[in-house]
Amino acid sequence: DTGVSQNPRHKITKRGQNVTFRCDPISEHNRLYWYRQTLGQGPEFLTYFQNEAQLEKSRLLSDRFSAERPKGSFSTLEIQRTEQGDSAMYLCASSMGQGAETQYFGPGTRLLVL
Amino acid sequence: AQKITQTQPGMFVQEKEAVTLDCTYDTSDQSYGLFWYKQPSSGEMIFLIYQGSYDEQNATEGRYSLNFQKARKSANLVISASQLGDSAMYFCAMREGGGSNYKLTFGKGTLLTVNP
Repeated sequence: DTGVSQNPRHKITKRGQNVTFRCDPISEHNRLYWYRQTLGQGPEFLTYFQNEAQLEKSRLLSDRFSAERPKGSFSTLEIQRTEQGDSAMYLCASSMGQGAETQYFGPGTRLLVL
Repeated sequence: AQKITQTQPGMFVQEKEAVTLDCTYDTSDQSYGLFWYKQPSSGEMIFLIYQGSYDEQNATEGRYSLNFQKARKSANLVISASQLGDSAMYFCAMREGGGSNYKLTFGKGTLLTVNP
C-alpha cells in the first residue's frame, strides 16, 4: 500500500515564473486536499477535491493559483507569476471518504521563490 | 479567535518519560473531530490519533493517548515512554461539523525534544 506521493520534492524558481506541482493520492481515496505551510506555522487549507470536482477553495487561493484533478486520480497545483511570498511547503493529503475522514499527507513540495 | 491553540512552542522530555502536549479548540459545532499529527524535520505530516466529539472513551494508539475534556474544549496528546525518535513538531488539528466540511484547521504546533 503506497502512501501519498508528491513531485517534485523541492523547487527553486525565479519570481514571475510559473510552477506546477503534482500529487498522487492513496489509490482508493476519493478526496484530495492541498495545504500550504510557511515557516513556524501549521498547514493552512487551500482547496479540496471529491473525485474530479473541486468543492472548496480558500481565500488564500488567489487567482494565480489553480488546481485540477482530472479523472479523479492525481492532482496538480499550478502557481502562475510566482512571488516571493509563495515560498512555502505545499502539502497534499487524501482521505477515503468515510468514517473519521483521516487525512494522510504526502512528503510535501518545498518551493523557494528567488 | 484562534480555532486551535497550542500554548507550548517547545517542550523537553527525558527519554522513557511521559509528556503531555496541550491543545485547546474553539467551535460552536456539536460534531467535530480532533487529530494529532507529527512532523519530523523531513516535513511529512504523520497521522497519530483521532478523537470524535461524540466518542465517550479517550482515544489510544500504542504509546499515544488523547486526553479529551469536552467541557474544557481541550484535547491533549499524551506520549508515554518517550523515545529519541519522538523528537519532532506536533500539530493538533480540528475538522468542524459533519456533512460537507472536510478541511482541517491546524494549530501552530509544539516542538518536542527528547533528551537521552
